[in-house]
This record gives sequence, structure tokens and C-alpha cells, in this order.
Amino acid sequence: QQQVKQSPQSLIVQKGGIPIINCAYENTAFDYFPWYQQFPGKGPALLIAIRPDVSEKKEGRFTISFNKSAKQFSLHIMDSQPGDSATYFCAAKYDYKLSFGAGTTVTVRA
Amino acid sequence: DAGVIQSPRHEVTEMGQEVTLRCKPISGHNSLFWYRQTMMRGLELLIYFNNNVPIDDSGMPEDRFSAKMPNASFSTLKIQPSEPRDSAVYFCASSLQKGSEKLFFGSGTQLSVL
Repeated sequence: QQQVKQSPQSLIVQKGGIPIINCAYENTAFDYFPWYQQFPGKGPALLIAIRPDVSEKKEGRFTISFNKSAKQFSLHIMDSQPGDSATYFCAAKYDYKLSFGAGTTVTVRA
Repeated sequence: DAGVIQSPRHEVTEMGQEVTLRCKPISGHNSLFWYRQTMMRGLELLIYFNNNVPIDDSGMPEDRFSAKMPNASFSTLKIQPSEPRDSAVYFCASSLQKGSEKLFFGSGTQLSVL
């Protein structure tokens, strides 16, 4: 049973577009919500993260929006670039354990 | 910092053979995780060590899987005997301590069992 549901499975945008990836969770004990970025042949790498007491966090062109009451959070990639083409995983953490979403493959066309 | 180092990067083996995957965590990190990544099941936590002690092995799929951490700088994941359904990418990750928010992943071992 997947504890974090992620959508869409894949998406394609033009350069400069804003891909949006959505995640939902059920377990209210989760206290940290990171996003990981994975390039082919590499391991996932932490991109940005948020805590449930914050509604939005921005780091460069990446923004997380968090809705605690709806138990949903999303990643926006502003002014997307071909170099952003990768698989993105949302995750939720409780204690030492990270539960990952299924991943979204983002393709940014030049 | 060299990051988390895994070996081999690729492993192709015959069904029934023993497979050993290796991991060197980042120096000073006390927590080590083994994950498996497949298209069907995504990223699954197999086992978690803290200070070289296995804390949670509930994700280990079967008795054919075993993991050890003999010291702070080395861990192994062994599959014996291997089966085609074990084919996946296996990642090792480390973090500074239990409950640390940032996980550092290695580049993974692509395992193919024929």
C-alpha cells in the first residue's frame, strides 16, 4: 500500500513552462515532506523540502505548495529548462522512514 | 566528499547464483539504508541500520535477502539464491544520524537476474 500518491506519471512541457506535480498522503504523523530529483543512472538527490507548518517554500525556480488540511502538496518548476528533465519523487517522513511516491518523469522540450 | 559509493554499478547473473552488493556510506554518517527501485513498486525501503545495528528489516522481501554492516564504513546486501524477479536497481543511502532529514543516495547497482 503506497502511503504517498503521486501524479501524473509523466508530463511534457515546453521550455519556460511550469510543470506541476501533485502528491497526497493520509498519515498525519508525517512531519517532513521532501522532493527528490533523479537523473538516469543516478540516485535520487534532495531538491527541496517543507514542513507541515509552512504553506509554501521557494528555492530558486522550485516551489513547494503545501495544504495541510487537504493533506496534499505539490512541486512547481518555474521557467523550466531542458536540464530539469528528470524523474521527480515526492516523499513523506516519519521518524527515520521515508515513504516515496511513484515518481513523475518530466520532459522539458527546448 | 566522495558521496555514497556502491559497487558494482551493474551485475548480471544467472538464476540461483549468489549476489553481493556493496556500499560505503559517507564518512561520519551513522544511518544507512538499502532501497530497491522497480517500475512496479517504485522505491522501497529494504533495511535500515543505525550505528551499524539493523533497526528495521521489515522491508526485506524474503529470507533469500540478508544485509550486514560489519563497521561504520561498509555494508553488504546479499541475495541467495537470486531469482529473475529480484532484477531491479538497488540503492544504498546514508544520513548523518537517526531522524536526519537529508538522505544521500549512491548511484545504485543495476541487477539483472537471467
